[in-house]
Amino acid sequence: DQQVKQNSPSLSVQEGRISILNCDYTNSMFDYFLWYKKYPAEGPTFLISISSIKDKNEDGRFTVFLNKSAKHLSLHIVPSQPGDSAVYFCAASDDGGSQGNLIFGKGTKLSVKP
Amino acid sequence: DTEVTQTPKHLVMGMTNKKSLKCEQHMGHRAMYWYKQKAKKPPELMFVYSYEKLSINESVPSRFSPECPNSSLLNLHLHALQPEDSALYLCASSQPPGGSGAYNEQFFGPGTRLTVL
Repeated sequence: DQQVKQNSPSLSVQEGRISILNCDYTNSMFDYFLWYKKYPAEGPTFLISISSIKDKNEDGRFTVFLNKSAKHLSLHIVPSQPGDSAVYFCAASDDGGSQGNLIFGKGTKLSVKP
Repeated sequence: DTEVTQTPKHLVMGMTNKKSLKCEQHMGHRAMYWYKQKAKKPPELMFVYSYEKLSINESVPSRFSPECPNSSLLNLHLHALQPEDSALYLCASSQPPGGSGAYNEQFFGPGTRLTVL
């Protein structure tokens, strides 16, 4: 039973446009959410995070939105660049950070076309 | 140094072999993790070490044996593996969970691609 779901395995966007990656979760105890980016042959790289007490966190071109009632979060990338092409993983924690246990979604492969 | 390094990058082993995966970080992190990632699947947590002590073992078979000899090093000893254990093994590190009240993001290494024949 998947607790963190990324229902779109892939997404293709034109350079300069907005990329929106979605993530749904089922466990209402999740209290911290993270997005990781992964290039081939590399480990996941931390991108941005959000605590469950917030509904938005912004860092440069990246913004994460959290809708707790819908158990949904999304990552917005504006403007999208070809270098953003990678697999994006949504991850969640249900222990307030006390154990460091992250549960990952399956990932969405983003392709940004020039 | 903000890097987590893992060796080897690739490993092919037979089912009777004994091998070890190594992970190293020099960021002063006191929590280290092993994840397993199969193709087209998300990373799955295997073990967590906090202050060099095993704090989480996610029901991993005993053919995988972790070791944390000091705060910078994390090993994963492999013995009598099965072909289905072939996967990418990722190491990560962070400041200890829950230390400052803020969640401490995990930094991942590039992984070891393991093939068991």
